[in-house]
Amino acid sequence: SQQGEEDPQALSIQEGENATMNCSYKTSINNLQWYRQNSGRGLVHLILIRSNEREKHSGRLRVTLDTSKKSSSLLITASRAADTASYFCATGGVQGAQKLVFGQGTRLTINP
Amino acid sequence: EPEVTQTPSHQVTQMGQEVILRCVPISNHLYFYWYRQILGQKVEFLVSFYNNEISEKSEIFDDQFSVERPDGSNFTLKIRSTKLEDSAMYFCASRASGGAIGELFFGEGSRLTVL
Repeated sequence: SQQGEEDPQALSIQEGENATMNCSYKTSINNLQWYRQNSGRGLVHLILIRSNEREKHSGRLRVTLDTSKKSSSLLITASRAADTASYFCATGGVQGAQKLVFGQGTRLTINP
Repeated sequence: EPEVTQTPSHQVTQMGQEVILRCVPISNHLYFYWYRQILGQKVEFLVSFYNNEISEKSEIFDDQFSVERPDGSNFTLKIRSTKLEDSAMYFCASRASGGAIGELFFGEGSRLTVL
């Protein structure tokens, strides 16, 4: 079964606007993480939220987790052109597994 | 800042040839991973490695794949007889501690093109 399905698949907004990306998953988790990938590059960890947390902030990033709905959202406030990248959610600790399961990703484009 | 390094950055090979992708994880990390990403698609788990043995592998990681940590620093992925569908970006990752899985540190990837 799929874990970590992002929505939307692509998002294009103007610089300065807020960007919201959503992630849904199917099974119980220990934590959920968000990663960023610039085109052709490796993945960079952004933020981790544990299953007993509901919201977490890091700079311009805000992540929420609703375990009853098995969903998470990533909000980037006051977007910049440099935020253009793909964003992936990844679920950790599914059934005790020591791996992350990544979703399909959201391609975010910030227009100057 | 410590980082995961991967070589080569790009390899082109003929179908049926053996390929070895190399990774140097962050030095004090204990868990090592290989993921792959076919162009424009999701990042797929291949294998995890801990305490000098495979701890988990996916259905993708069949008998054509193997991993090795030949010394204290390198972590390699070998594909014995490459197929066209093995063309992808391969990412190595590592993490520090045991317990519940935390942040993974990824390398920049090795792009494999099979002709």
